[in-house]
This record gives sequence, structure tokens and C-alpha cells, in this order.
Amino acid sequence: GDSVTQTEGPVTLSEGTSLTVNCSYETKQYPTLFWYVQYPGEGPQLLFKVPKANEKGSSRGFEATYNKEATSFHLQKASVQESDSAVYYCALSDNNNRIFFGDGTQLVVKP
Amino acid sequence: EAAVTQSPRNKVAVTGGKVTLSCNQTNNHNNMYWYRQDTGHGLRLIHYSYGAGSTEKGDIPDGYKASRPSQENFSLILELATPSQTSVYFCASGGGPYNNQAPLFGEGTRLSVL
Repeated sequence: GDSVTQTEGPVTLSEGTSLTVNCSYETKQYPTLFWYVQYPGEGPQLLFKVPKANEKGSSRGFEATYNKEATSFHLQKASVQESDSAVYYCALSDNNNRIFFGDGTQLVVKP
Repeated sequence: EAAVTQSPRNKVAVTGGKVTLSCNQTNNHNNMYWYRQDTGHGLRLIHYSYGAGSTEKGDIPDGYKASRPSQENFSLILELATPSQTSVYFCASGGGPYNNQAPLFGEGTRLSVL
């Protein structure tokens, strides 16, 4: 079945350093890919989505490219801030609109 | 403004009791979803629905039922609650069936089964 695997956390970084959270997926279909962010006590919220292969999504300085050949969708940010501390989820939507999430990656940014 | 509202926000139940978690969306979305969130497991899909009267099993449906009586409302029912169902439950709604609109999540319900 469909699955999503992402970097195991926690990931601890200093402010101003770069971030990469790896995400790989398995599906026999043509998925839409998402990155969500979750802050403590809240529900996950969409960071951005990419519906088509070889396209890039971005928001708030975060970006990811839908790499169909490598079945990857890695999240990157050039310079993290303390306010970026949160849990990040990679997800895919299959052709039946079922949404599957990875296990989440906790990011801790130290000032 | 698009919204997904869950109730209750917190619930304590006894083992063997019946629990109903409710979800309401004002987004006119066709699809609705129930997930549970546990440390180390991320978000796991329990049940989902394509519209009023429709319910489908997700990855972990055992011990749960779902009901979608209207476009706006989607309930998750635990007929005989067990301590292993202690978790945080999230409801989400999304567009569909072909536009893959990203699901919008509620704030969650924290359930403790004693």
C-alpha cells in the first residue's frame, strides 16, 4: 500500500543554519504531495502542496521539489528561525483522495 | 472563513463505555477524515468519507465506526472503548473527488480511556 517515510527526529539546529528533512514515498498511483506543520496544542496546518511531478512548492521560506524518479519530496529551508520549531509532516494523497502521513519530524531551533 | 470544529476537545471515558467524537465543517468539502495521533506513529487514518451517507475504512479501522449523516458532520464512534484507544484524534475536511484539495484540520480531541 501507499506509505511515506521521513527523517526521524528530533532535529536540533541553531538559528541561521540550513534545514533538510528527507521524505520518500511509495505508491503505484500519481499522488499529490504535501508538507504540513504542527505547533503544540494545534492541528496540522498546510505548509504547501505540489500536485505535479518535477514541480516545486514553497511557503514561508520552505521549499520542496516533487521528484517522481527518486520518489522523494525533501523539505528545505536556507536559514531557520526559532519560530520554525514545530513538527513537520510529509503526506501524499492518492487517486481516491486518501491522505497518508509520515511519522513527523520534530524540529528544535535554538537561538 | 474555512473551519473544522471538533467536540469535545477533551474526554475521559471508562473502559467498555461508548464514546462519540463529533466533527463539523463549514467548508462545503466533500471529503472528511478521522486520524489518531500517537508518539512515534504520526497521523494514522481511521475512517474517511466522500460525502453524506458514505464511510470508508482507513488503515486502522478496528474498534471504530464512523457516521456521515450530512455534508457538514462526521462522527467517530467507539462502541466499547479500550485503554489502547487513548490518543489525540483529529478530524479534517478536504475538497474532492478530483481536485486533491489539501485537508483542513480541526484542533483535535484528547481522549483518555481509563
